[in-house]
Amino acid sequence: DVKVTQSSRYLVKRTGEKVFLECVQDMDHENMFWYRQDPGLGLRLIYFSYDVKMKEKGDIPEGYSVSREKKERFSLILESASTNQTSMYLCASSPRGRAPDTQYFGPGTRLTVL
Amino acid sequence: RKEVEQDPGPFNVPEGATVAFNCTYSNSASQSFFWYRQDCRKEPKLLMSVYSSGNEDGRFTAQLNRASQYISLLIRDSKLSDSATYLCVVNDPSNTGKLIFGQGTTLQVKP
Repeated sequence: DVKVTQSSRYLVKRTGEKVFLECVQDMDHENMFWYRQDPGLGLRLIYFSYDVKMKEKGDIPEGYSVSREKKERFSLILESASTNQTSMYLCASSPRGRAPDTQYFGPGTRLTVL
Repeated sequence: RKEVEQDPGPFNVPEGATVAFNCTYSNSASQSFFWYRQDCRKEPKLLMSVYSSGNEDGRFTAQLNRASQYISLLIRDSKLSDSATYLCVVNDPSNTGKLIFGQGTTLQVKP
């Protein structure tokens, strides 16, 4: 079974803090993704990576950065957290080049920024 | 126009009912189609892929109409445990492995 883990289920931070969200997958997947999910807005892609040290902006990258130093780990960084970044953050991974592009999700991190 | 559109519901149905969800997608070049299920405060999980010929998995049947760019999910004999949000998902034709998610349709099955 594919396993995607995220470092925290719940996180509370203060405005202006630097926040690190970690994601690890154990299936040797090339692709990894960070989404946020908000009521009424669905899942929105923040960043994705299709290889080590590679990253691509998604639909809403502003205020975020990412790091992929190892294949199994993809980190999302909030350089200076703001209250509008309060959300559920979901990490996903998928194998490259193998249809049909199914993504496997971690359990999510519910981040609250005060 | 949203790339993947779904009726958000909620659909409130009694146990044993048959319920159908529909979804439309905007990019005719998409090649892969899925239904994901998401329970409250949990992560999305793949329910089933959707194939051109239509496919069935127990009480669940998925259909794809490429000409109309329309995907459907039929649930027969609804169970309380089917209560969840159902996400319609299509692949991004850029072949980056990206998926495009609909906002989801919420189903509440009542006793």
